[in-house]
Amino acid sequence: GENVEQHPSTLSVQEGDSAVIKCTYSDSASNYFPWYKQELGKRPQLIIDIRSNVGEKKDQRIAVTLNKTAKHFSLHITETQPEDSAVYFCAARIERGGADGLTFGKGTHLIIQP
Amino acid sequence: DSGVTQTPKHLITATGQRVTLRCSPRSGDLSVYWYQQSLDQGLQFLIQYYNGEERAKGNILERFSAQQFPDLHSELNLSSLELGDSALYFCASSVVVPNTEAFFGQGTRLTVV
Repeated sequence: GENVEQHPSTLSVQEGDSAVIKCTYSDSASNYFPWYKQELGKRPQLIIDIRSNVGEKKDQRIAVTLNKTAKHFSLHITETQPEDSAVYFCAARIERGGADGLTFGKGTHLIIQP
Repeated sequence: DSGVTQTPKHLITATGQRVTLRCSPRSGDLSVYWYQQSLDQGLQFLIQYYNGEERAKGNILERFSAQQFPDLHSELNLSSLELGDSALYFCASSVVVPNTEAFFGQGTRLTVV
């Protein structure tokens, strides 16, 4: 099955700096790559996603890039703010006839230092 | 609020017992997914149901089972519980067309003592 590796496990950046989280996936059939943000004790919430026919997508301070050849995708957060502190999960999905559970990475704990 | 409702929010039970977790998907979503989140295993896909039928299986133990009812709500049954089953169990729902996002419920925190 699909395997998703995520790095780093913890990332500490100064407020205002950029943060980058990287993921690799194993199955070239994966065609959907969402990123979720999870605050302590709360549900994962989708912050951005990218499909396999697109190389880059941006939404205000957040951007995701996808390299299908290398099978990796990255989350970029610019001008980080204290409220960006959370655990971020990347995920990959293969859509096969409507069967499409997400395979998640292990998560990155992002800490924004004031 | 994602529109996905899970009950109960918290559950404490003893080893060997059986529990049922309930999920109501967003209005109009036909697909329901169950995920387990633990400190050592992270977020793991357990099982997916679509319009009442099992559609995909992930890392679900044989002691666990699920079903989706005609009104589209779903239940996850966990039996012969072990200490290691303590985790957050999330339900998510989506409209199953290619590449659509899944909306997560608030989760049920299960503690096995």
